[in-house]
Amino acid sequence: GESVGLHLPTLSVQEGDNSIINCAYSNSASDYFIWYKQESGKGPQFIIDIRSNMDKRQGQRVTVLLNKTVKHLSLQIAATQPGDSAVYFCAEMTLDGNEKLTFGTGTRLTIIP
Amino acid sequence: DSGVTQTPKHLITATGQRVTLRCSPRSGDLSVYWYQQSLDQGLQFLIQYYNGEERAKGNILERFSAQQFPDLHSELNLSSLELGDSALYFCASSARDWQETQYFGPGTRLLVL
Repeated sequence: GESVGLHLPTLSVQEGDNSIINCAYSNSASDYFIWYKQESGKGPQFIIDIRSNMDKRQGQRVTVLLNKTVKHLSLQIAATQPGDSAVYFCAEMTLDGNEKLTFGTGTRLTIIP
Repeated sequence: DSGVTQTPKHLITATGQRVTLRCSPRSGDLSVYWYQQSLDQGLQFLIQYYNGEERAKGNILERFSAQQFPDLHSELNLSSLELGDSALYFCASSARDWQETQYFGPGTRLLVL
């Protein structure tokens, strides 16, 4: 993941529309990727994960896409709801016995009613 | 509610002091992870314990230490505190190891004055 800054990238989406949050990860050897959602005043919450042998995985209203060629990860949220407003983090990890999660900067998603 | 509890919720202390943060994992989870979230460094992995033993280390300073007790709760000790240690400290737990979903606690907000 990219190093963090004080200012998070932001994305505003109309309620009911689909949203796409992007993440550029840094380690080409990463095997495992996770998206987390963090609401204000709370800890991160697991949304969905994907392993490097897959390029797409779907959950309930969420889809994660992985493009290893360009080291890019995206999270698609369908039919956004006000409760989707939060900061979303991608995280990457290698599964080589030296596992540790490296988090991206985060994107603040705001759903406009 | 993730099932992970952390105490205290807030902590205010002075530079040079030492504090202990406590974490109780979800029932049955063997792994505990500690993370630091600050404005300038983002979310960073500090250390992992599995069933009482240190399993993985991240960006943890030498002034910081942790342990996991036989009842699987964990404590993060922060000593010789500096202004820059002000941050949110999260604990997460998983059933066994990295490839399983990590559930985050609500965090302890530390302010060093």
